[in-house]
Amino acid sequence: DIQMTQSPSSLSASVGDRVTITCQASQDISNYLNWYQQKPGKAPKLLIYDASNLETGVPSRFSGSGSGTDFTFTISSLQPEDIATYYCQQYDNLLTFGQGTKLEIK
Amino acid sequence: EVQLVESGGGLVQPGRSLRLSCAASGFTFDDYAMHWVRQAPGKGLEWVSGISWNSGSIGYADSVKGRFTISRDNAKNSLYLQMNSLRAEDTALYYCAKDNTHDLAVAALDYWGQGTLVTVSS
Repeated sequence: DIQMTQSPSSLSASVGDRVTITCQASQDISNYLNWYQQKPGKAPKLLIYDASNLETGVPSRFSGSGSGTDFTFTISSLQPEDIATYYCQQYDNLLTFGQGTKLEIK
Repeated sequence: EVQLVESGGGLVQPGRSLRLSCAASGFTFDDYAMHWVRQAPGKGLEWVSGISWNSGSIGYADSVKGRFTISRDNAKNSLYLQMNSLRAEDTALYYCAKDNTHDLAVAALDYWGQGTLVTVSS
């Protein structure tokens, strides 16, 4: 099974800050990685697919990069509405989610 | 507008069974793979199972393999999850999610329902 490890597990940042979350796969998954945003009490929302492609309608301040085992998700300028938990998900071998990163406003 | 509406959740005793349903609308159901993803209270997301457009490819998480069965009825635009031998650790909100492709080989979940809560307790 492929394990996905996200860091940090929680993060506090100020509005306007650049925020970075990392996701490491236990084996090479090429670019078979997606990122989701989940706001409290809501269903997850797909933000980034295939490691770096922005889903339609998602603001351009969100971006993703990486391949192989190491991936990065970035918010270029944090907005109040970005408060959520973020998950990575691999699909190289079935599907596995990372444990999530809870993002809070400082 | 894509809509996914789950139903069938509830309180069930350990060892018993439950069948979840997901009614899909707003897209051509038989063009896409579908998935079940669960979230235990206060915890992260866990993929449970997925099924390709024609039911030719099916996958399960190790935690449910042999106990849960996924199926779909393309004529009824519906997805199902038969859950047997339920355990306390199966307690979670169960989401139905649409894949953005027809097969399980490339899986990005682009639409999600609001979930149905399953509680396993005596």
